[in-house]
Amino acid sequence: EVVLTQSPGTLSLSPGDRATLSCRASQSISRNYLAWFQQKPGQAPRLLIYDASVRATGIPDRFSGSGSGTDFTLTISRLEPEDFAVYYCQQSSFSPLTFGGGTKVEIK
Amino acid sequence: QVQLQESGPGLVKPSETLSLTCTVSGGFISSYYWGWIRQPPGKRLEWIGYSRYSGSTIYNPSLKSRVTISLDTSKSQFFLTLSSVTAADAAVYYCVGGGGWLPDHWGQGTLVTASS
Repeated sequence: EVVLTQSPGTLSLSPGDRATLSCRASQSISRNYLAWFQQKPGQAPRLLIYDASVRATGIPDRFSGSGSGTDFTLTISRLEPEDFAVYYCQQSSFSPLTFGGGTKVEIK
Repeated sequence: QVQLQESGPGLVKPSETLSLTCTVSGGFISSYYWGWIRQPPGKRLEWIGYSRYSGSTIYNPSLKSRVTISLDTSKSQFFLTLSSVTAADAAVYYCVGGGGWLPDHWGQGTLVTASS
């Protein structure tokens, strides 16, 4: 199965800062079927980005995704208070579908 | 706007079968992939499997021998059964749906504990 490794595990930043989250796959993700989800405590994950760089409906443009092959990045250009959460990458190219271990973005 | 809602017992005894239901509103159950994802406490999300209106199913090999996902299109519902439950199956279970394999619609999740 495709193993997704996210780094860093925790990112301590202040509102207004830029956040850069990394996701590395154990093999090349075909057709860039890589997504990013945001999860807040007690809530279901929320789709932010799919196909590596396409924002989902209603997602603010401060969220952007990039990358291809095995290396992908989620960037939050200016952190808002509501952006402090856990972020997961996920691949839908191969079965079984797999998720990364998550990056927690916390308030510094 | 597709909405999903899980229902089912929150407590299952070890060795017994876990059964959950997901009710779909705002979407055509015949149009999507429908499935389940779980999140054990403190662990990463784990995809369980998908089923489609056509009857095709695809499961995570790690759970395949114990899992069944089925649909009742007349009730706009789909179901998860997981047999021979152990403590390792304790998790928040999410029902999900998507136009393809991407899970872009999620239920709120339901906590299942395995204990006697």
